[in-house]
Amino acid sequence: DTAVSQTPKYLVTQMGNDKSIKCEQNLGHDTMYWYKQDSKKFLKIMFSYNNKELIINETVPNRFSPKSPDKAHLNLHINSLELGDSAVYFCASSQGRVGETQYFGPGTRLLVL
Amino acid sequence: AQSVTQLDSQVPVFEEAPVELRCNYSSSVSVYLFWYVQYPNQGLQLLLKYLSGSTLVKGINGFEAEFNKSQTSFHLRKPSVHISDTAEYFCAVSPGGKLIFGQGTELSVKP
Repeated sequence: DTAVSQTPKYLVTQMGNDKSIKCEQNLGHDTMYWYKQDSKKFLKIMFSYNNKELIINETVPNRFSPKSPDKAHLNLHINSLELGDSAVYFCASSQGRVGETQYFGPGTRLLVL
Repeated sequence: AQSVTQLDSQVPVFEEAPVELRCNYSSSVSVYLFWYVQYPNQGLQLLLKYLSGSTLVKGINGFEAEFNKSQTSFHLRKPSVHISDTAEYFCAVSPGGKLIFGQGTELSVKP
């Protein structure tokens, strides 16, 4: 009965490859997010979708492209991976936006070699 | 732009001692404030949040925080910590739905 799940949990890949991370939530929420946590544990918002519509798009390289096929899923595709993309990527969801609790997935640990 | 500063990057404390993790925010508008906890190799979990009303907010696991508008602070406290409280703690503000996090405070509880 996992609330927010992410696959894969670990991802090790070579520079220049393309990879995807998947996120699913079974909480019935209408808003989903992607956050990046760097090696110093600093967390930063990347994207947010509300009912499949992109509502937050922070300063993120064009190589990152989110896709929301339905409101329970938000995937992150990364093209031409770079060493600096190594991080932990967290998916989160909430019911509504302002002031609402965000529920986080377990994270996907991406290592680019 | 809103921002959050967590004043201590690491806080070592002995078991059963009280602890305070400090958080200051900057905002020119009404704020929603959050504390999240991240246990090793896990995602984030909400401890408590302040939206409005009483400035003393109680959360899970015996934590509480006090919203102080004049000092723009939202410090987290626990009167007696356990070994299991060892984790990374994040203070955050929420402008427009996204969370803006502080740098995190690593709480290390020693026996």
